[in-house]
Amino acid sequence: AQSVTQLGSHVSVSEGALVLLRCNYSSSVPPYLFWYVQYPNQGLQLLLKYTSAATLVKGINGFEAEFKKSETSFHLTKPSAHMSDAAEYFCAVRLGGYNKLIFGAGTRLAVHP
Amino acid sequence: AAGVIQSPRHLIKEKRETATLKCYPIPRHDTVYWYQQGPGQDPQFLISFYEKMQSDKGSIPDRFSAQQFSDYHSELNMSSLELGDSALYFCASSLKSGTDNNEQFFGPGTRLTVL
Repeated sequence: AQSVTQLGSHVSVSEGALVLLRCNYSSSVPPYLFWYVQYPNQGLQLLLKYTSAATLVKGINGFEAEFKKSETSFHLTKPSAHMSDAAEYFCAVRLGGYNKLIFGAGTRLAVHP
Repeated sequence: AAGVIQSPRHLIKEKRETATLKCYPIPRHDTVYWYQQGPGQDPQFLISFYEKMQSDKGSIPDRFSAQQFSDYHSELNMSSLELGDSALYFCASSLKSGTDNNEQFFGPGTRLTVL
């Protein structure tokens, strides 16, 4: 069965600091992996996705993630945090033939001045 | 660009009442997914439809039912509402279920509060 684990339910960084949100997946077949962002009282917005092409994926708002098969990881990074990055971030996995998304528990990112 | 539309955006119901949530997918999208996100929880897959047929089923209670219509919009019907049904319900749509790389686009959600 496919699953994702997000390490750290809360992450706090200073404005301008590196953002690192961790996601590890479990899948018996090559996975499709996604990062979504959710701002308060809003829907889910796709940040980026891995679909077996390049292992380093660039997304919107300066975020990127690297797929590492040996570590079964898909960590999300951003070199310099901005106040507007404060939100809930969800890692998700989807099996190719079955399209439902399985989400991790989410990581709430706080950015302080 | 047109996005996924959900209505209503907010809904307040009493216990044991019924509720109907509607989802209008992006034009030409043929697949609709429903997810439930409880307070402080991650979204959980409920059910999906492709070309008006149920394509997958998740942790959807028997009190809930859903369907996709000929115009591809979908409705989630919830009966005998319980306090625990209070959640944010997301609809997502995509094109060509089963095709690799098909991305799910999420609607803004319907916040259901059961009193």
